[in-house]
Amino acid sequence: DAKTTQPPSMDCAEGRAANLPCNHSTISGNEYVYWYRQIHSQGPQYIIHGLKNNETNEMASLIITEDRKSSTLILPHATLRDTAVYYCIVIGLAGTPLVFGKGTRLSVIA
Amino acid sequence: DVKVTQSSRYLVKRTGEKVFLECVQDMDHENMFWYRQDPGLGLRLIYFSYDVKMKEKGDIPEGYSVSREKKERFSLILESASTNQTSMYLCASRNRDRLLTHYGYTFGSGTRLTVV
Repeated sequence: DAKTTQPPSMDCAEGRAANLPCNHSTISGNEYVYWYRQIHSQGPQYIIHGLKNNETNEMASLIITEDRKSSTLILPHATLRDTAVYYCIVIGLAGTPLVFGKGTRLSVIA
Repeated sequence: DVKVTQSSRYLVKRTGEKVFLECVQDMDHENMFWYRQDPGLGLRLIYFSYDVKMKEKGDIPEGYSVSREKKERFSLILESASTNQTSMYLCASRNRDRLLTHYGYTFGSGTRLTVV
């Protein structure tokens, strides 16, 4: 599975959009981009995933570049409860287990 | 909602004890996983199981074993607990949709194990 690169930390003002970038330049054609987050002292929580097209659900939007080498997770109106570590993970169809990197620690500030 | 339940939230055990960490999921998921999480090291995969009675080693299996006798239950066993196994342990299960295009992991809340 392709490796990912994320900034170690970001701040975002409450009510503003949080844009979390992820680089995955070695991604192959059949690999998906997944986003999870982990709020302090809890297990990771699935947010969203995508292959080529942009995706949106009730939690977030995922924008994948046309060359698929990077993506951005967007939390449209960040709240204090969105303060967490966000993990971008690339996984293929073979279904190998999730491998977590260091992620991005997002702090939402009032 | 899928629930992954870990039997204990906090556990304190003595060095040399045999420790069982239990994980149960209620949505008939085939795959189950055990991770440990340590500050600065992130989440690391210990063992996983694709089906009943199947097990695969993850990245750090030393000092651990697992048991998957029933589909819903995946147990992590510390044969002889040591202080370096003090950690947060997280269990997860995974489903795949009919098109095999979605690998939704659901995690439990974790067990914080302290070995003294």
